[in-house]
Amino acid sequence: DIQMTQSPSSLSASVGDRVTITCRASQGIRRYLAWFQQKPGKAPKSLIYDASNLQNGVPSKFTGNGSGTDFSLTISSLQPEDCATYYCQQYDKSPYTFGQGTKLEI
Amino acid sequence: EVHLVESGGDLVQPGGSLRLSCAASGFTFSDFWMTWVRQAPGRGLEWVANIKEDGSEKHYVDSVIGRFAISRDNAKNSLYLQMNSLRGDDAAVYFCLRGRHALDFWGQGTMVTVSS
Repeated sequence: DIQMTQSPSSLSASVGDRVTITCRASQGIRRYLAWFQQKPGKAPKSLIYDASNLQNGVPSKFTGNGSGTDFSLTISSLQPEDCATYYCQQYDKSPYTFGQGTKLEI
Repeated sequence: EVHLVESGGDLVQPGGSLRLSCAASGFTFSDFWMTWVRQAPGRGLEWVANIKEDGSEKHYVDSVIGRFAISRDNAKNSLYLQMNSLRGDDAAVYFCLRGRHALDFWGQGTMVTVSS
């Protein structure tokens, strides 16, 4: 199975900051990567697919980049509502594995 | 508006069985792959299974092969997950999702508890 490793596991930032979360795949996955946001006690929400494409309705403050094994999610102009855990997921090869998550505190 | 509503979660004894359902609305169900993802208490997300639009192709995570079966009824706009031989590590919230790769919509989840 393809292992997905996110870093950092947690981070703390301030309102207005820009943060970047990275996701590394144990083997190349082309651009078959998605990002999800999960707020406490809620179902996850889909943010990005194919490494950099925003899902409908997702604000442009979320930016995805990368290909192959190294990917990133950048969130700009942080607001309190961005406090959540963020997950990456590869869908190049089944099973479509997730990263362990990055908890963002603001 | 797309809606996915899971049901069927319950407390079950180890070795027991449970059938989860997901009622879909707001889109043409038969045009989409569907997926199940689970999340154990306090843990991360785990992809469980998916099924092709017509049910002809199914894929599972290794840990559930031979125990879980994904199915769908396009006439009823419904997705199912039959779970047999349940174990403690199957305890989780189970989410129904639309899609195969670019998963876009999530249900609210249904909780499965495995305990004697």
